[in-house]
Amino acid sequence: DGGITQSPKYLFRKEGQNVTLSCEQNLNHDAMYWYRQDPGQGLRLIYYSQIVNDFQKGDIAEGYSVSREKKESFPLTVTSAQKNPTAFYLCASSYTSGSFSDEQFFGPGTRLTVL
Amino acid sequence: DAKTTQPNSMESNEEEPVHLPCNHSTISGTDYIHWYRQLPSQGPEYVIHGLTSNVNNRMASLAIAEDRKSSTLILHRATLRDAAVYYCILDNYGQNFVFGPGTRLSVLP
Repeated sequence: DGGITQSPKYLFRKEGQNVTLSCEQNLNHDAMYWYRQDPGQGLRLIYYSQIVNDFQKGDIAEGYSVSREKKESFPLTVTSAQKNPTAFYLCASSYTSGSFSDEQFFGPGTRLTVL
Repeated sequence: DAKTTQPNSMESNEEEPVHLPCNHSTISGTDYIHWYRQLPSQGPEYVIHGLTSNVNNRMASLAIAEDRKSSTLILHRATLRDAAVYYCILDNYGQNFVFGPGTRLSVLP
């Protein structure tokens, strides 16, 4: 089955700890994205990557970091510098780099709770 | 950045058509109009997109106003599984990644 996987589904961390969220896709997509969603709100773009070894900041990149060493993987690290990290995190991918006019495929999300 | 405005919520009866409106008065000539929907605790899923002409697919139809300042997503026969938050998004080749709060659609049996 082709798709995007995010793990784990639920994640709990203590305040002050860094945590890395996994995102893997086997769709052979060039572009990958990370969004954050707070309760009752829309999605906000954190980072996106159009090609391996390259990524750009989205609207709310502060306190987050990413890497894109492989086409299939785009992990997101939530650092201790992120003031309000508790949220629902969504990873997405699309086929053509640099064009959001292509359909984005979303993973099931990771719900992060910082205690 | 071009923005969209949608009603916060709408209700429909099962098996009736639903028209979900979206206003985008500052749309540029190269902005595509996308619709996604999100079920509770899931990632969004693509519904449909278009540029100027009306579009149809197996899920829905997209009607785009002649001046492109508004569009309407049409679900021809709402089912209980169509209850979700629907997002209208403008895309200008990767320059606009803005999901607003969307419209929460409730479908009544």
